[in-house]
This record gives sequence, structure tokens and C-alpha cells, in this order.
Amino acid sequence: ETGVTQTPRHLVMGMTNKKSLKCEQHLGHNAMYWYKQSAKKPLELMFVYNFKEQTENNSVPSRFSPECPNSSHLFLHLHTLQPEDSALYLCASSQALGGGGSETQYFGPGTRLLVL
Amino acid sequence: SQQGEEDPQALSIQEGENATMNCSYKTSINNLQWYRQNSGRGLVHLILIRSNEREKHSGRLRVTLDTSKKSSSLLITASRAADTASYFCATDPSGGGADGLTFGKGTHLIIQP
Repeated sequence: ETGVTQTPRHLVMGMTNKKSLKCEQHLGHNAMYWYKQSAKKPLELMFVYNFKEQTENNSVPSRFSPECPNSSHLFLHLHTLQPEDSALYLCASSQALGGGGSETQYFGPGTRLLVL
Repeated sequence: SQQGEEDPQALSIQEGENATMNCSYKTSINNLQWYRQNSGRGLVHLILIRSNEREKHSGRLRVTLDTSKKSSSLLITASRAADTASYFCATDPSGGGADGLTFGKGTHLIIQP
């Protein structure tokens, strides 16, 4: 148990559905991340929030929409996804970014997403 | 662009043997971290080594860092079946930056009983 929870753990959705992934951290961190992990590919950083402000968006398609209402919660809203979006979506948190270095990231268990 | 690259991509050894994984990276770093991932689960932090450190130990883990060669190694001694997992290195590029760590593709380690 790392102090980062994700719901749901598994999700199956059609290409026309709208769903949301939720991440919550109980570690007092100020930076939160969304990653995508596909088979045989490196972990792909999708979004970064530092003190609730989005600092990074690695050319992620607009069908993925992040939301960070406060430092403890992070959402990933999904709509009109494609089958190639099927993957494990991981959330992580860390101490605030900047200040000369990035410290340890704490990961949630992930949401296994299947898009039909 | 990909920063860390682990080598080998896959490694299978007998229980009790030592396992060594390597990581190479391209740019200057503040620190390098190793993470472990069991199948289909989140990553778990193992150890962090800073750019001014050369070696670090944690239990059965030993990490080395050679900044001149831009490489690191993770050694797991006296391996156990429970060590079967994927292992990732992650680098924190120096100069700051707002995106935190960059992860490699990982080494899949199988410990055979």
C-alpha cells in the first residue's frame, strides 16, 4: 500500500462511452501524474500537475482530459476512445516539482482499461 | 525522447543466484531511481542514488552509478522467486524541469525456483 489509490481497477468501455478515472493520494504531496503503460512500450508520461497547475501535456490526444481539483485528487476523463487506448493507466504522486530535483514517485495500482 | 534504457530486456536466473540489470541514459541527471513492478500493478520505488554518489545499498539491493559513462546497475543478491518482476530505472534530468522522471522500458526478471 503506497498511499495512492485508483478507481476503478478495471474498466471496459465502448468507443462512444464517457468515463472517468480517479486517483487519490494521502501522502501530502503536491505533484501528481498520469502515465500510460502499453504492452512492450516504455511508461508514457501523459500529464503532470504541480500545486494543482498543469505543467506538462505530452501531446496527449484531446479525448483524454485531466482534472486536478485539489492536491489530493486527480481525474482522467475519457471520451470517444480508440481500441489502441487500451492500456494500464497509472497515477503517481511526489513532493512538489522544482527546487533542483525530482524525488521519489509513489504509484497507485493502476486502472486496466479495455476499449472495445 | 527516451532517457533511460535498461539492459537486458529480459533475464531468467535460478533462485539463489545474483541478478544484474543495467541502465544507460543520455543527459546529465540530478538523481537516478530504480523501481519494481509486479505484473499489472503499480511501480514501487526501490532506491534512489544521487549524481554525487557512486554506490548505494538497501538490503539485498546494490546500485552503482557512473556519471562519466551515464550508466547505472542494479544488483539483486541471493535472488528469490518473489523477486520476479519488471525493474525500471528512472532519471531526473538536471536543470530542473516540470515533468519529473523519465522511465526506461524495463528489464523483466524471472527467478526460477
